[in-house]
Amino acid sequence: EAGVTQFPSHSVIEKGQTVTLRCDPISGHDNLYWYRRVMGKEIKFLLHFVKESKQDESGMPNNRFLAERTGGTYSTLKVQPAELEDSGVYFCASSQGFGGISYNEQFFGPGTRLTVL
Amino acid sequence: GENVEQHPSTLSVQEGDSAVIKCTYSDSASNYFPWYKQELGKRPQLIIDIRSNVGEKKDQRIAVTLNKTAKHFSLHITETQPEDSAVYFCAAREYSSASKIIFGSGTRLSIRP
Repeated sequence: EAGVTQFPSHSVIEKGQTVTLRCDPISGHDNLYWYRRVMGKEIKFLLHFVKESKQDESGMPNNRFLAERTGGTYSTLKVQPAELEDSGVYFCASSQGFGGISYNEQFFGPGTRLTVL
Repeated sequence: GENVEQHPSTLSVQEGDSAVIKCTYSDSASNYFPWYKQELGKRPQLIIDIRSNVGEKKDQRIAVTLNKTAKHFSLHITETQPEDSAVYFCAAREYSSASKIIFGSGTRLSIRP
């Protein structure tokens, strides 16, 4: 079974430009998460989709970030316009089902390394 | 909200020795504590986890301990090997939900030959 995939693996853009990151979760996983790691710091939560709905977007830094998951399959995260502090590694993760009394492991993608110059 | 502190940030041990990474959490509602390992250039992968109704869990050379009262949990790696070199992240969340994971800042573990 294919794992979580992300595209691109690396992106280098200039301040003010727009970048769109893509995540394909494991097939059948309703939950999709975006996280970001700035160099040397913790992996920080950005938002959580359940199917196509945003369940929790409390970690989104500001309105320059827009996440979508049309149709409840893959997701995109757009940064527009990008700023220097947006540099970091953006991880996507997915998990099965929702809630209940059973835990669901979050499977991570390989990440997209974003560098804003 | 939850806050997870992790120490040390870097750790170097002689091959064959043990390594210990310690974390604390703030939210008593957290009851599930996964540990992720990220090797260089690869994705974070779950290596072991523990729920709050258990004080210790072991899987071969890896063990986790949890002190709910003190809100401390630790990862212990015995008989370290070169392939244990990686960044390790502790984390916390509510077990019964599909909610977000709150991560510690990571520990870079290096195994000296």
